[in-house]
Amino acid sequence: DAKTTQPPSMDCAEGRAANLPCNHSTISGNEYVYWYRQIHSQGPQYIIHGLKNNETNEMASLIITEDRKSSTLILPHATLRDTAVYYCIVRGDSGGSNYKLTFGKGTLLTVNP
Amino acid sequence: DTGVSQDPRHKITKRGQNVTFRCDPISEHNRLYWYRQTLGQGPEFLTYFQNEAQLEKSRLLSDRFSAERPKGSFSTLEIQRTEQGDSAMYLCASSFGGVGTEAFFGQGTRLTVV
Repeated sequence: DAKTTQPPSMDCAEGRAANLPCNHSTISGNEYVYWYRQIHSQGPQYIIHGLKNNETNEMASLIITEDRKSSTLILPHATLRDTAVYYCIVRGDSGGSNYKLTFGKGTLLTVNP
Repeated sequence: DTGVSQDPRHKITKRGQNVTFRCDPISEHNRLYWYRQTLGQGPEFLTYFQNEAQLEKSRLLSDRFSAERPKGSFSTLEIQRTEQGDSAMYLCASSFGGVGTEAFFGQGTRLTVV
């Protein structure tokens, strides 16, 4: 089962920042927070991941709270092409070192013109 | 590096037929994962390979499903005696290293069983 909780849907105006929340209150010390997104009929696309510190790359920023029980994915200037389902995933050694990604239902982000 | 490649992209088959899908991971990625995704749901884990060894299979992977990864390179997923409930997107992902390294997905194979 997914170890994260996300809102089912969110809206954002084009050009504004999109802030997608995720709760992972049972995260353990060696588990990472990963974000993927999936545009309709395509495979999931990796966005960013982090362990404790905030992270930034060319796509997004990841803010992880100090207690690591929640995080926020920030798309600084959302465009219409950012409309997708966004998945927040806690990934760790679930036994056998397979490091599999366990997806929930994600958040459908709709960017409006 | 061309990313994870899956073939075919679409497959329509009649119930009872066998189908085989292929996944070519990113070169030198030692870990390979298969997922299945039905409409409105997130991807569900099916099985995992480290190099050529299949180390975990989900209970979703019935006896009609078999996966191989000969020589630790490409992988195949075969479904025997397909059923309408097998209609889904089948996704492949690969990664190198441990939990802190990202996994990359292919574009998937859309299977429709009629």
